Amino acid sequence: RKEVEQDPGPFNVPEGATVAFNCTYSNSASQSFFWYRQDCRKEPKLLMSVYSSGNEDGRFTAQLNRASQYISLLIRDSKLSDSATYLCVVNNLNAGKSTFGDGTTLTVKP
Amino acid sequence: NAGVTQTPKFQVLKTGQSMTLQCAQDMNHEYMSWYRQDPGMGLRLIHYSVGAGITDQGEVPNGYNVSRSTTEDFPLRLLSAAPSQTSVYFCASSSRDRFNTEAFFGQGTRLTVV
Repeated sequence: RKEVEQDPGPFNVPEGATVAFNCTYSNSASQSFFWYRQDCRKEPKLLMSVYSSGNEDGRFTAQLNRASQYISLLIRDSKLSDSATYLCVVNNLNAGKSTFGDGTTLTVKP
Repeated sequence: NAGVTQTPKFQVLKTGQSMTLQCAQDMNHEYMSWYRQDPGMGLRLIHYSVGAGITDQGEVPNGYNVSRSTTEDFPLRLLSAAPSQTSVYFCASSSRDRFNTEAFFGQGTRLTVV
């Protein structure tokens, strides 16, 4: 089993749709969590951190459930520019390394 | 701010050749990592370092060596290139600060082994 597993996708949605991505992790020692965005095989860039209390940044909402070892990302009112691959990332600070999910590809269509 | 700088951006190697991918960061980050990304797949950890003089193997270390003689630099060496090493390579750095652990990536090196 992979240490970080994401919805395989791809997700193809119309503009304005709401879409949710899920991610699970297996290492209970994981300490910090992120969603990254990657465009066209460019370098990944931080989209947002994920906290147990949940956090929101405009149309994006991220949630962490430590008990279930589950992370989610919700995108509301999808835009064409949201088309990208979204990567779930789990950090083990004690080990000094990050583990990435395989990513979920989103295509938003007019 | 330069952030994380990778060189070269593109490289073609013949099977059996060796080369070094360079990675430098100017953010005084303790942690540095190398990943490879194959088409349609996520990032797989090759090697990582938690500080100068300390390196460790990731998920796919075979065929690669690293060293960390300074905080700033973390070169990745391909010992004898094979077609299976054709991939996009990303270097990343991050702080050990528990409240500021975002990873910053270089722009990637696109390597083709023929």
